[in-house]
Amino acid sequence: DSGVTQTPKHLITATGQRVTLRCSPRSGDLSVYWYQQSLDQGLQFLIQYYNGEERAKGNILERFSAQQFPDLHSELNLSSLELGDSALYFCANSVEGGNTIYFGEGSWLTVV
Amino acid sequence: AQKVTQAQTEISVVEKEDVTLDCVYETRDTTYYLFWYKQPPSGELVFLIRRNSFDEQNEISGRYSWNFQKSTSSFNFTITASQVVDSAVYFCALIKNTGNQFYFGTGTSLTVIP
Repeated sequence: DSGVTQTPKHLITATGQRVTLRCSPRSGDLSVYWYQQSLDQGLQFLIQYYNGEERAKGNILERFSAQQFPDLHSELNLSSLELGDSALYFCANSVEGGNTIYFGEGSWLTVV
Repeated sequence: AQKVTQAQTEISVVEKEDVTLDCVYETRDTTYYLFWYKQPPSGELVFLIRRNSFDEQNEISGRYSWNFQKSTSSFNFTITASQVVDSAVYFCALIKNTGNQFYFGTGTSLTVIP
């Protein structure tokens, strides 16, 4: 158990809709990363927050946004969903000076 | 730029056989960290090991062992006496010492046949 909690575990929604994925970090972890894992793209880094501020941005679409709240939980918002957004979305926290990341169990998003 | 290559897409072995998963990386940095993660069918990503670029000692943990060779930019993972529970996708990853982004390979799907 990584200690990183993600909700919901599974989500099915229609194209054009908006969803919010939630991540509760390990206690004391200031960094949060979001990754997308799809069949054709593999594991793609989306975005990182550190103590509430955006630290790094990867291959995140403009339709997607994220934020980290004062209590360090994070949300990933996905809007105007397309079929291709169907994927497993991971949240992760870093420890040990940021050089190891521990993943949550992921949120399976299916867009129909 | 950083890049991690796992050339083996899928591997199948019979239970109790040894298997080695290859990982080759590219980086211009002198300080970096290498990782292996396991993704079982349930989907979660499980951290297995971290190795920094200054430590080339091989590591053994039970049936798992890792061979880090800077000369060939490789960080290979060997499972000895494989078991069905080892069936999973294994990812190799790299991060620069000063970086925020983990670079993952495309993964190797290992199937252990009973």
